[in-house]
Amino acid sequence: QVQLVESGGGVVQPGGSLRLSCAASGFTFSSYGMHWVRQAPGKGLEWVAFIRYDGSNKYYADSVKGRFTISRDNSKNTLYLQMNSLRAEDTAVYYCAKDPAYCSSTSCYGPPGIDYWGQGTLVTVSS
Amino acid sequence: QSVLTQPPSASGTPGQRVTISCSGSSSNIGSNYVYWYQQLPGTAPKLLIYRNNQRPSGVPDRFSGSKSGTSASLAISGLRSEDEADYYCAAWDDSLSAVVFGGGTKLTVL
Repeated sequence: QVQLVESGGGVVQPGGSLRLSCAASGFTFSSYGMHWVRQAPGKGLEWVAFIRYDGSNKYYADSVKGRFTISRDNSKNTLYLQMNSLRAEDTAVYYCAKDPAYCSSTSCYGPPGIDYWGQGTLVTVSS
Repeated sequence: QSVLTQPPSASGTPGQRVTISCSGSSSNIGSNYVYWYQQLPGTAPKLLIYRNNQRPSGVPDRFSGSKSGTSASLAISGLRSEDEADYYCAAWDDSLSAVVFGGGTKLTVL
């Protein structure tokens, strides 16, 4: 079964950096796009970033563009989120999530979306 | 302000049928699949409906989804106390090149 396990969360000062990781198993990681989604305390879900199955294209929410970088290592079945210049408003639980569209070497079958979710890792930005 | 619009709350009594609406635009719901998620308190979201009206294995058939034009809805029939949770809709937005979510609907079982 699909498993997504995030790690790397913690407390960081404003302006600091943190790198989140997501270990994936139970599916062919290199055939699916992946997302990061966050949820501030007591708030709704906010999409953060998406990376295509082969890392060829990356998309970001305006709120994190230029500060966060999504990447993946298909040889290690691992997704990453490098977060720089962190602000108090970045405080949230960060979820790793799988895209449902299967991708072959030539095309992806269906538009992006989110099916499976990890359990989340908490990032707190505070002095 | 969320791109997709959901009512902030909904309620029903055990056994009742409730529906939760999700309104969008031509660039998201109008041209892409709608997904619905259930989030129980203190847990990660869980997929309830994908591709507008498909249920993953393990999701009871009490849950159903539909889509018409730029709106979608989630229906829960035979309401049970364990259905009390937050529900979110989502879709890919072609103009924003982003997944967009509704603000979430808190369902209370009276």
